[in-house]
Amino acid sequence: AQRVTQPEKLLSVFKGAPVELKCNYSYSGSPELFWYVQYSRQRLQLLLRHISRESIKGFTADLNKGETSFHLKKPFAQEEDSAMYYCALSAANTGNQFYFGTGTSLTVIP
Amino acid sequence: EAQVTQNPRYLITVTGKKLTVTCSQNMNHEYMSWYRQDPGLGLRQIYYSMNVEVTDKGDVPEGYKVSRKEKRNFPLILESPSPNQTSLYFCASSQAGQPQHFGDGTRLSIL
Repeated sequence: AQRVTQPEKLLSVFKGAPVELKCNYSYSGSPELFWYVQYSRQRLQLLLRHISRESIKGFTADLNKGETSFHLKKPFAQEEDSAMYYCALSAANTGNQFYFGTGTSLTVIP
Repeated sequence: EAQVTQNPRYLITVTGKKLTVTCSQNMNHEYMSWYRQDPGLGLRQIYYSMNVEVTDKGDVPEGYKVSRKEKRNFPLILESPSPNQTSLYFCASSQAGQPQHFGDGTRLSIL
């Protein structure tokens, strides 16, 4: 079965501190992995995807197939980063169905 | 403008009164999906559709129905709503393997 695990429901860091939001997945093939962000009372927005290997708003995420992880990182957290973050997997062997983790609520303390 | 449109945005109704939440996308996407979002539970998939007339259950389909008669529309139907279906609902669409685009959400309150 394809599943995405985000072990931390809540995460608080101080402004300027590094932040890492954990995501682990289980999938037997080659996954497509994404991070979505949801700011307060807004829709989910794509933050980044692993195949683009880009940095968005200072965030990066590297796919580690050996550890089946796709952790989201930022070296210096900002107050505007406070939001809900979801890790998601698209599974080619089930018609590209999407699987979301349960989300991590990040609070950046001023 | 590429978008996923949900209606209504807010609805308060009573137990047992049938309701439909509409979802429409203008990007010619094949894949559409409904999720509910609840505190502490994150995003859970209700139903999804890979194309016209092709729908399948997600993780929490009980109490919901969907249909996909046209590519652009994917309505969510609650035949007999109950209070435990009070939630924030999101519709999403995508091409295969591509990131999902989400609607603005529909907040349902079932009294």
